[in-house]
Amino acid sequence: AQTVTQSQPEMSVQEAETVTLSCTYDTSESDYYLFWYKQPPSRQMILVIRQEAYKQQNATENRFSVNFQKAAKSFSLKISDSQLGDAAMYFCALSDNQFYFGTGTSLTVIP
Amino acid sequence: SQTIHQWPATLVQPVGSPLSLECTVEGTSNPNLYWYRQAAGRGLQLLFYSVGIGQISSEVPQNLSASRPQDRQFILSSKKLLLSDSGFYLCAWSVRRNYGYTFGSGTRLTVV
Repeated sequence: AQTVTQSQPEMSVQEAETVTLSCTYDTSESDYYLFWYKQPPSRQMILVIRQEAYKQQNATENRFSVNFQKAAKSFSLKISDSQLGDAAMYFCALSDNQFYFGTGTSLTVIP
Repeated sequence: SQTIHQWPATLVQPVGSPLSLECTVEGTSNPNLYWYRQAAGRGLQLLFYSVGIGQISSEVPQNLSASRPQDRQFILSSKKLLLSDSGFYLCAWSVRRNYGYTFGSGTRLTVV
């Protein structure tokens, strides 16, 4: 069974609009961490945002924010005011006793 | 500050030739080190990880091997490359799991 599931292989958004990328996960641990990574065409993996499971407050980094629904095991990424440079593959990841990546969502930003 | 270096950036090798990819970390001690492979347009596949010098765990049986001769050096090797070894290889390190991973810039390997 997939531990981290990204059900949207591809997404597109108009420049300056908002887009939400979905991620669900499964873990039996109470102590874990969640991450979103961005992989632009250069293929360098860049950490976008992290969330500690024990924190109820959703993490925010500038235009990037998450909607962390612990009971539903959902961890979506919202990108506001989308820019052309946001075009990339986005990976959701879970760290409990191991590290698990989702299969990625390819985001296209339309000018 | 902590940095990770990975080289070479691009490599074209004939089938049957050996391989050596190197990854070094600066600014931290006793990191956990990882090698991932990513096929084109696909997700990340964990190949090897190491929690200390000489300690290597393999996740996938394959034509590759890894070594950690020094605390901050991680090497991915093959004695004879196969066409199926082509892909994008990423090295990563972590110190504490709540920090996530920091990735190198990757090596694009093409076996011809």
